[in-house]
Amino acid sequence: NAGVMQNPRHLVRRRGQEARLRCSPMKGHSHVYWYRQLPEEGLKFMVYLQKENIIDESGMPKERFSAEFPKEGPSILRIQQVVRGDSAAYFCASSPELAAYNEQFFGPGTRLTVL
Amino acid sequence: GQQLNQSPQSMFIQEGEDVSMNCTSSSIFNTWLWYKQDPGEGPVLLIALYKAGELTSNGRLTAQFGITRKDSFLNISASIPSDVGIYFCAGPTRTASKLTFGTGTRLQVTL
Repeated sequence: NAGVMQNPRHLVRRRGQEARLRCSPMKGHSHVYWYRQLPEEGLKFMVYLQKENIIDESGMPKERFSAEFPKEGPSILRIQQVVRGDSAAYFCASSPELAAYNEQFFGPGTRLTVL
Repeated sequence: GQQLNQSPQSMFIQEGEDVSMNCTSSSIFNTWLWYKQDPGEGPVLLIALYKAGELTSNGRLTAQFGITRKDSFLNISASIPSDVGIYFCAGPTRTASKLTFGTGTRLQVTL
């Protein structure tokens, strides 16, 4: 997972606050994916973005969650009015332009704790 | 939706032993990926399989893409303490926009 950067690594928020998670993909990668992992479970897909476009957001809750990947800068996963159930590890992955073989490379994750 | 079931759920083995784990799907996959996740870290890609029947090695790791395209196997030979972690299989959806992850196999290695 060398190269995919996520920050912060740990984030604590109180119920009702906003959480902003950042992801910088590997150099040369223009596809970004966000996944959520609850304790003792596998990763669950949330959203897939290319530069300035959301391609697939089928795994992202319709309310309170949003994602963007601007032309310049990192991808942002934003959670508004957080609730305790949002506590989880959020992982970002990236793949190169020609993702013919579906290989995604993951960052170290952001662990969100909602008090 | 697609589901990937991994077995065993957890394993406790002694250093030096060989390990086998598998992943089965309710539907066909055209690619199988095996990841390892250390505590507090993101998944790291170990092996990628692209063809039914394919057998691929990466050091002490060997993985196979099942003929039916509904299963895959991962073997680790001569385990060492740093093999400890959770091993996930994963496969892309038909649209290739997202990975479905398995339930994971937690490996513990004792000296």
